[in-house]
Amino acid sequence: ILNVEQSPQSLHVQEGDSTNFTCSFPSSNFYALHWYRWETAKSPEALFVMTLNGDEKKKGRISATLNTKEGYSYLYIKGSQPEDSATYLCAFESPSNDYKLSFGAGTTVTVRA
Amino acid sequence: ETGVTQSPTHLIKTRGQQVTLRCSSQSGHNTVSWYQQALGQGPQFIFQYYREEENGRGNFPPRFSGLQFPNYSSELNVNALELDDSALYLCASSLGPGQGMTYEQYFGPGTRLTVT
Repeated sequence: ILNVEQSPQSLHVQEGDSTNFTCSFPSSNFYALHWYRWETAKSPEALFVMTLNGDEKKKGRISATLNTKEGYSYLYIKGSQPEDSATYLCAFESPSNDYKLSFGAGTTVTVRA
Repeated sequence: ETGVTQSPTHLIKTRGQQVTLRCSSQSGHNTVSWYQQALGQGPQFIFQYYREEENGRGNFPPRFSGLQFPNYSSELNVNALELDDSALYLCASSLGPGQGMTYEQYFGPGTRLTVT
């Protein structure tokens, strides 16, 4: 079992504010890091797949960075909107786990209007 | 393009019973992965099916079994249900098994199983 940690577990953000949170994963045998957004009563939706150290990905106001050497990824939300309220999951992919996804427990973001 | 669907949405079973959950993969996808999400945890990998064969299994007992059909839809069967099996069960389909090549997984909305 590969240890993937996400922090904080939850956070509340005022509309318009920016925020970020962390996914930590083993720094050895890295293959890919996935980010998902999961809104209540919907299916988890893929945001990013990141494979290279130093990678930065962006989708609208959401962006992510990757540091494979130290084993962490940050997800940033710029100018949070109520529709950004969701649980954000990261998943680590490694040959150590036969390329199967090991998920963190998620960070639940609530944006207050 | 039809997304991933799961049935039923909710299910209540009694300890010791058996349950079958169903998943229809997205059009063109040949791989289905099943996950269990218990309260407060991230999804835990149960197993994966690729072209009708099991292609990897997580740390789940043999009473968790599965099947994939020629149209790539899939079933998850759980025998001798225990209280701890109460969870959200997610399936995800993808273009391939992701061994040496990363494929995005497309998730269904899940089946909420309650065991009493």
